[in-house]
Amino acid sequence: AQRVTQPEKLLSVFKGAPVELKCNYSYSGSPELFWYVQYSRQRLQLLLRHISRESIKGFTADLNKGETSFHLKKPFAQEEDSAMYYCALSSGFGNEKLTFGTGTRLTIIP
Amino acid sequence: NAGVTQTPKFRVLKTGQSMTLLCAQDMNHEYMYWYRQDPGMGLRLIHYSVGEGTTAKGEVPDGYNVSRLKKQNFLLGLESAAPSQTSVYFCASSAPDSLPLVAYEQYFGPGTRLTVT
Repeated sequence: AQRVTQPEKLLSVFKGAPVELKCNYSYSGSPELFWYVQYSRQRLQLLLRHISRESIKGFTADLNKGETSFHLKKPFAQEEDSAMYYCALSSGFGNEKLTFGTGTRLTIIP
Repeated sequence: NAGVTQTPKFRVLKTGQSMTLLCAQDMNHEYMYWYRQDPGMGLRLIHYSVGEGTTAKGEVPDGYNVSRLKKQNFLLGLESAAPSQTSVYFCASSAPDSLPLVAYEQYFGPGTRLTVT
C-alpha cells in the first residue's frame, strides 16, 4: 500500500529564513510526487511536481528515492508563503489517483 | 471558464437526513474525484470516476454513493447522514497531461462544508 507522511503538522518560520517542509513516502514502484498548496480562502492547487523539475514561487523539491523523500524547500521565506501544504503521490505513470499526506500548515512570522 | 464548481457551499443536516452534493467542471476532463478533508487527516479519496457512466471506490467510500451520468457532472450522495460525515468535501477533476505518460494534475473546487448534527 502507498503512504505519504508529513511529520510536521505546524511549522513556523521567520520571514527571510529558509523553509523546509518534509515529505516521506512508502511505495514499492516508481512514484510520481507532487506538492499541492492551499492559501487562505483559496482552493487547493498544484504547486509543483518532481517530473517537471521546476522552481515555482521560489520553491523546489527533489525526489530522493534512496531516502524515499520529497522535501519542499525555499531559501528565503516570504509572508505570502503562509498556507497549508500537502504532499501527494501517484502510483505510476498515467495513474489517475493521488494519495495525500496529512498536510503541514506553514506560518511565516513577519 | 469557471473550472470546478461545487453546490452547495455550506449545509447543515440532521442525523439520518439525505443530501446530494453537486460537482460540475467545464474543462472537458475525463476524470473526477470526491475527497473529504478532516483536521489532521489530510484529503482522503471517497469515490472517483474515470469517465461518463463509470465510478469506483476510493479510500473511504462507506456511507456515500456517486453518479456520473454526464461527463461534466459528478454527484456525491449521502443516503443517511451521520455525525462522522461532518467534513469539508472537495471535488476535483483531471485529464491526460500534455507531457507523455505523466500523472495528471488535479483541479479542485472550492469545497462544501457539511455539518451533521
